[in-house]
Amino acid sequence: QVQLVESGGGLVKPGGSLRLSCAASGFSFSDYYMYWIRQAPGKGLEWISYISGSSRNIYYADSVKGRFTISRDSAKNSLYLQMNTLRVEDTAVYYCARGGRSFLDPFDYSGQGTLVTVSS
Amino acid sequence: QSVLTQPPSASATPGQRVTISCSGSSSNIGSNHVHWYQQHPKTAPKLVIYRTDERPSGVPDRLSGSKSGTSASLAISGLRSEDEADYYCTTWDDSLSGWVFGGGTKVTVL
Repeated sequence: QVQLVESGGGLVKPGGSLRLSCAASGFSFSDYYMYWIRQAPGKGLEWISYISGSSRNIYYADSVKGRFTISRDSAKNSLYLQMNTLRVEDTAVYYCARGGRSFLDPFDYSGQGTLVTVSS
Repeated sequence: QSVLTQPPSASATPGQRVTISCSGSSSNIGSNHVHWYQQHPKTAPKLVIYRTDERPSGVPDRLSGSKSGTSASLAISGLRSEDEADYYCTTWDDSLSGWVFGGGTKVTVL
């Protein structure tokens, strides 16, 4: 069965960095787009980034462009999100999610999320 | 301010029908499929409708999706206590070249 397990969240000061990881299993990882979605406390969902199976097609929401970098390692069946220059407004639960064969496919599975808290 | 507009709340008694609207524009709902997620408190979102009116395996047929022009809807008939959750619509926006979510609708079973 499809499993996605995020890790790497925690407390970081404004301006700091954090790297999130997502371990995937139960499907052919390199065949699927992968997404990062986040949810600030008490707020709605926000798409922040996606990456194609080949890593050739990458998207960032304007809110994180230039600060966050998505990547994947098919040998390790893992997805990553390098977050730099973190802001208080980046505080959220970050979900790793599996898309489809196209960037127009929605995510059908996600992990349980990892909490990132940006605070001084 | 979300690109897609949803009512913040909706409610009905058990067994009744509730409908959630999602309003957008020609660059998003008007030209792309709409997908819906259900999220219970402190859990990950779950896909309940994809490509406007398709149900993933395991989602009851009490949930249905539709679209007309630049608006989409999610209907839940025969409302049950387990349907109490937040619901989000989402789609691709051609103008923004990115995904957008609605602000979410909290469904309460009275």
